[in-house]
Amino acid sequence: DTAVSQTPKYLVTQMGNDKSIKCEQNLGHDTMYWYKQDSKKFLKIMFSYNNKELIINETVPNRFSPKSPDKAHLNLHINSLELGDSAVYFCASSPYVSSWGRTDTQYFGPGTRLTVL
Amino acid sequence: GIQVEQSPPDLILQEGANSTLRCNFSDSVNNLQWFHQNPWGQLINLFYIPSGTKQNGRLSATTVATERYSLLYISSSQTTDSGVYFCAVPTGNQFYFGTGTSLTVIP
Repeated sequence: DTAVSQTPKYLVTQMGNDKSIKCEQNLGHDTMYWYKQDSKKFLKIMFSYNNKELIINETVPNRFSPKSPDKAHLNLHINSLELGDSAVYFCASSPYVSSWGRTDTQYFGPGTRLTVL
Repeated sequence: GIQVEQSPPDLILQEGANSTLRCNFSDSVNNLQWFHQNPWGQLINLFYIPSGTKQNGRLSATTVATERYSLLYISSSQTTDSGVYFCAVPTGNQFYFGTGTSLTVIP
């Protein structure tokens, strides 16, 4: 019954490794997002996908790459992990976005706490 | 980019008290959202309010876009209201969150 789910909930890994975080939504929404929340609780959007098309690409390192196999999934791949990547990563979805500035209600997943040692 | 500032940064309330949280933004926007992050980290969308006033139970929000601010009112606060409240504005191809107001409601 979970609307937006993420796996894993916790991820501890060594610097330099490659890891993925999965996100799935069963709400039938058109748009999905990835956010990063740092240790000071600051939230920053990283990516969004609308019908498999990237419509936002924040100034994030190209070590981060979103992959959307279908409308219900948006996975986040991270290569060559660095200490500064430690954060909580949230996936979200919304039913509709017409053009930037007019997004609909967003539903968030529970978050994935990534710790890079 | 657009600046989004929230005040106060921290707030402690006795259960049953009312409060007002403020969100100021530096440029014109045509969308604004309020979120609540509970103590367990879950983010919940409270309001999508580009302008005007909306109410949902004990919570209401007002956005005055021409004056570049939004207010979130919490009435008869409960301990379950504790957490961090964020406002967020999309503009252009960016989506900016404020730094949040951390609310603690004590019984």
